Amino acid sequence: DARVTQTPRHKVTEMGQEVTMRCQPILGHNTVFWYRQTMMQGLELLAYFRNRAPLDDSGMPKDRFSAEMPDATLATLKIQPSEPRDSAVYFCASGLVLTSGGKTGELFFGEGSRLTVL
Amino acid sequence: GQNIDQPTEMTATEGAIVQINCTYQTSGFNGLFWYQQHAGEAPTFLSYNVLDGLEEKGRFSSFLSRSKGYSYLLLKELQMKDSASYLCAVSDDNYGQNFVFGPGTRLSVLP
Repeated sequence: DARVTQTPRHKVTEMGQEVTMRCQPILGHNTVFWYRQTMMQGLELLAYFRNRAPLDDSGMPKDRFSAEMPDATLATLKIQPSEPRDSAVYFCASGLVLTSGGKTGELFFGEGSRLTVL
Repeated sequence: GQNIDQPTEMTATEGAIVQINCTYQTSGFNGLFWYQQHAGEAPTFLSYNVLDGLEEKGRFSSFLSRSKGYSYLLLKELQMKDSASYLCAVSDDNYGQNFVFGPGTRLSVLP
């Protein structure tokens, strides 16, 4: 049963600490998204990759956030240093998106990483 | 820019029909998706529209009008388990088919 896997599921840390979240997309999917969800903001796009290349990270605070995809089976989102306002659920989603016609596939979401920064 | 609008909250009664609307303004369009999200869980895919008209899937149907920038999700024979947030998302053409989500509509189904 193919699914997107995210770790850690929960993370509590102190302000100033580095946080790394990991995502294993579904095999064969060519697009990976990172979203952040809070009660106030809903699902907010942070960054996304197509065939491991970053396409857009304009939603991400560049001074402290970074997203990478070192290989096809791993995407990472790092926050350094973390701040209390970063407390949220971070979702990774993957999909097969066709850029030259044809149907755009739906996104499949991981269970999310719930981050609390004290 | 991109703008997607949905009502914040709706309430309906078990067994009834409810329609959740979504309006959007995006620089491109490559499909509209509806997702369901129960509290504390990940969003799960419900439906996809890329052409105008109605797509039916069991108790759920979704409608799209591209000229109006409008979609709705219709839920029939409501059940208590349908209490959840419903998210409208648009796939646009910027940077090769981005997915932008609306704020979500929180539906409460009452007995």
